Amino acid sequence: NAGVTQTPKFQVLKTGQSMTLQCAQDMNHEYMSWYRQDPGMGLRLIHYSVGAGITDQGEVPNGYNVSRSTTEDFPLRLLSAAPSQTSVYFCASSSPDSYNEQFFGPGTRLTVL
Amino acid sequence: AQSVTQPDIHITVSEGASLELRCNYSYGATPYLFWYVQSPGQGLQLLLKYFSGDTLVQGIKGFEAEFKRSQSSFNLRKPSVHWSDAAEYFCAVGAAGTASKLTFGTGTRLQVTL
Repeated sequence: NAGVTQTPKFQVLKTGQSMTLQCAQDMNHEYMSWYRQDPGMGLRLIHYSVGAGITDQGEVPNGYNVSRSTTEDFPLRLLSAAPSQTSVYFCASSSPDSYNEQFFGPGTRLTVL
Repeated sequence: AQSVTQPDIHITVSEGASLELRCNYSYGATPYLFWYVQSPGQGLQLLLKYFSGDTLVQGIKGFEAEFKRSQSSFNLRKPSVHWSDAAEYFCAVGAAGTASKLTFGTGTRLQVTL
């Protein structure tokens, strides 16, 4: 099992550009989440999904879109990147019977100039 | 709403010394509690977790944590720190019925001196 995979590992964008961060898991987990990590702020939840076709907002959803068409994939879209979105992004998956234990991907480091 | 406080931003210990990292949480019901470790430039690795039962839980790399409901705490301990333990440590809380969402603390950076 590859677990949770994320692509790309690094990305540099200019303000206003759009891009999609990819996330996939092969553990057949129903739940998937996106977090962003900023210095001194820990990880904050952006969006999450409890199954294919179902998504909801987390703590910091503004500027991000998500969709979940399959159990395996949960892409995060930045429609118009801003410097405030410079961060490290982590995707995670879990199952309903795992007591909230999250399995994290390796992260994507995004810089917006 | 759940919240987690890690009061120590940065801690320095000597190699071989004992370590205790503090974590306080706020949640009305029985929480699910986690400690994750992150080495520089790396992802998050689960050290240990508490769901129920024995309040002293053992994790990987010689770490342990004790759940104290009366103090709303879940402090991480290690009897003898190794230089390779230098990293950032995050405490997180979850709860039943929350779609597996976790609330993280702001982290404690551990520096180990030789």
